[in-house]
Amino acid sequence: GENVEQHPSTLSVQEGDSAVIKCTYSDSASNYFPWYKQELGKRPQLIIDIRSNVGEKKDQRIAVTLNKTAKHFSLHITETQPEDSAVYFCAAKTGANNLFFGTGTRLTVIP
Amino acid sequence: GAVVSQHPSWVICKSGTSVKIECRSLDFQATTMFWYRQFPKQSLMLMATSNEGSKATYEQGVEKDKFLINHASLTLSTLTVTSAHPEDSSFYICSAREVAGGHPHEQYFGPGTRLTVT
Repeated sequence: GENVEQHPSTLSVQEGDSAVIKCTYSDSASNYFPWYKQELGKRPQLIIDIRSNVGEKKDQRIAVTLNKTAKHFSLHITETQPEDSAVYFCAAKTGANNLFFGTGTRLTVIP
Repeated sequence: GAVVSQHPSWVICKSGTSVKIECRSLDFQATTMFWYRQFPKQSLMLMATSNEGSKATYEQGVEKDKFLINHASLTLSTLTVTSAHPEDSSFYICSAREVAGGHPHEQYFGPGTRLTVT
């Protein structure tokens, strides 16, 4: 099955700086890569996703890049704000299969 | 659109009793619903996948007789934790995937149920 690794497990940045979270996956057939933001005690919320036929996608301050050859994808948050503090999960999916989640990154934005 | 609800949001039960958690897709029909378990500061662990009208598929290491899943309709799936023990205390989250239309890959998550077994 798919194995998704995520780094770093914790990340602290100053407000206004950028944050980058990286994930690798093992199954070359994976074709969908979403990123979720989860605040304490709440449900994961999809913040951005990318399909395997695209190398980069951007939505305001959030961007995701995908390198299919290397089997890794990254989340980039620019101009971070305190409300960006949360746990972020990457995931990978193959066709109709389930989502396989990374281990999560706890992001803290220091005001 | 694409709202998933869970009930209850939290529950405390005594060891040995059973607890039922409901997961509903409120404004769409879900062919498939997923049940996850999340321990504090850890990732979501898939427990089982349920398709409407058929038996659930459990992930390795998950006891099907302990975690009973029923997906009776396209809008409702239930997870029953039988003979609960303190080690079953966790955050249980369901998600659902639409039958048709919408985003074919996206799963919509419920708000989660915090189970505490005393």
